[in-house]
Amino acid sequence: DAGVIQSPRHEVTEMGQEVTLRCKPISGHNSLFWYRQTMMRGLELLIYFNNNVPIDDSGMPEDRFSAKMPNASFSTLKIQPSEPRDSAVYFCASSEDYDTDTQYFGPGTRLTVL
Amino acid sequence: SQQGEEDPQALSIQEGENATMNCSYKTSINNLQWYRQNSGRGLVHLILIRSNEREKHSGRLRVTLDTSKKSSSLLITASRAADTASYFCATDENTGNLLYFGTGTSLTVIP
Repeated sequence: DAGVIQSPRHEVTEMGQEVTLRCKPISGHNSLFWYRQTMMRGLELLIYFNNNVPIDDSGMPEDRFSAKMPNASFSTLKIQPSEPRDSAVYFCASSEDYDTDTQYFGPGTRLTVL
Repeated sequence: SQQGEEDPQALSIQEGENATMNCSYKTSINNLQWYRQNSGRGLVHLILIRSNEREKHSGRLRVTLDTSKKSSSLLITASRAADTASYFCATDENTGNLLYFGTGTSLTVIP
């Protein structure tokens, strides 16, 4: 299995631009999680889906952030408009089902907003 | 929100020595997990210990859990340079499968 796939691996953009991060979970996994990691705040859960349905988005910092999961094999995290404080590494993770605890992380997308 | 807090924040040891990292958490849990993160990579699951377990082994890893003290420790025996990474504990909160990660311990193993 290829594991969780994220793209792009690196993204540099200018303030005000729209950024779209992509994630392909492990096939057969029903839960998907988006995290953000910074030196200051550590690893933060932004949103998670179960069977393609958003369950909890309370970690999404602002309305500028949105996430979708149109099907079981694809999810996006969008920031519009982006700001310099959004600079971080964004991780996607998946797990087998709602009651399975082990999460499998993707390699992350390093976002830099200038 | 962060639930687990690792201690120490950074640890530097010689290859062959043992490394011990500690994690404290705040609320009751179903289980506690340890993850490793190599520089520039995603997190990798190492081991899971359930609230009714006190100790668990996996290769050179030994994890203990003391629910009365709300703490856990991760011991890496006979460390290797390849063990250099950040180590995170993660806990759930009895409901659902959300994981709350600590701030991590940065381990450096000097060859």
